[in-house]
Amino acid sequence: GAGVSQSPSNKVTEKGKDVELRCDPISGHTALYWYRQSLGQGLEFLIYFQGNSAPDKSGLPSDRFSAERTGGSVSTLTIQRTQQEDSAVYLCASSTPPRQGLNQPQHFGDGTRLSIL
Amino acid sequence: DAKTTQPNSMESNEEEPVHLPCNHSTISGTDYIHWYRQLPSQGPEYVIHGLTSNVNNRMASLAIAEDRKSSTLILHRATLRDAAVYYCILRVTNDYKLSFGAGTTVTVRA
Repeated sequence: GAGVSQSPSNKVTEKGKDVELRCDPISGHTALYWYRQSLGQGLEFLIYFQGNSAPDKSGLPSDRFSAERTGGSVSTLTIQRTQQEDSAVYLCASSTPPRQGLNQPQHFGDGTRLSIL
Repeated sequence: DAKTTQPNSMESNEEEPVHLPCNHSTISGTDYIHWYRQLPSQGPEYVIHGLTSNVNNRMASLAIAEDRKSSTLILHRATLRDAAVYYCILRVTNDYKLSFGAGTTVTVRA
């Protein structure tokens, strides 16, 4: 079946430009997560959406980062005025609604590799 | 946050079993043990999870110590496709986000 789809797979942009990264979750998955993975580092949580609830934005590193989820499905992560330290792989994951102690596996896309020149 | 400790790397021969250890001495009674793996240039992939009893699925087995302070992921017959970074993660109750550490890099020799 179709997994989590992210686009673009690669993005190269100049410092100071804005970028938008897109995530299409698995159909029926109401929970959606964004993480980022910098070179040689572990995955860092950014933001979490669950249904119509207010998102948990506690992992966003600065106010240049924002995300939205339209219609409970597709999500867009926006980085304004990009800096070189924003270079990383941005990963999106989705899962079925939380229940039974939040043990639903998260299904990841292959990420968007963002390079800031 | 509950922490896990894993070896940095392990090597295995193809078609041999691989035992990946994970220490989690500060685990609390309701924390689940999850394993994910990440193949090169791909996003992480769920492998298995458990609470107290040993668990088996088509990908692997999870053996959990009686005191729950450690666990072992077992790949029964390693293939070249199993070469990846394996992450042992404690899923803390009411915390939906996954906290990834450095993981164990598994190399499989043909």
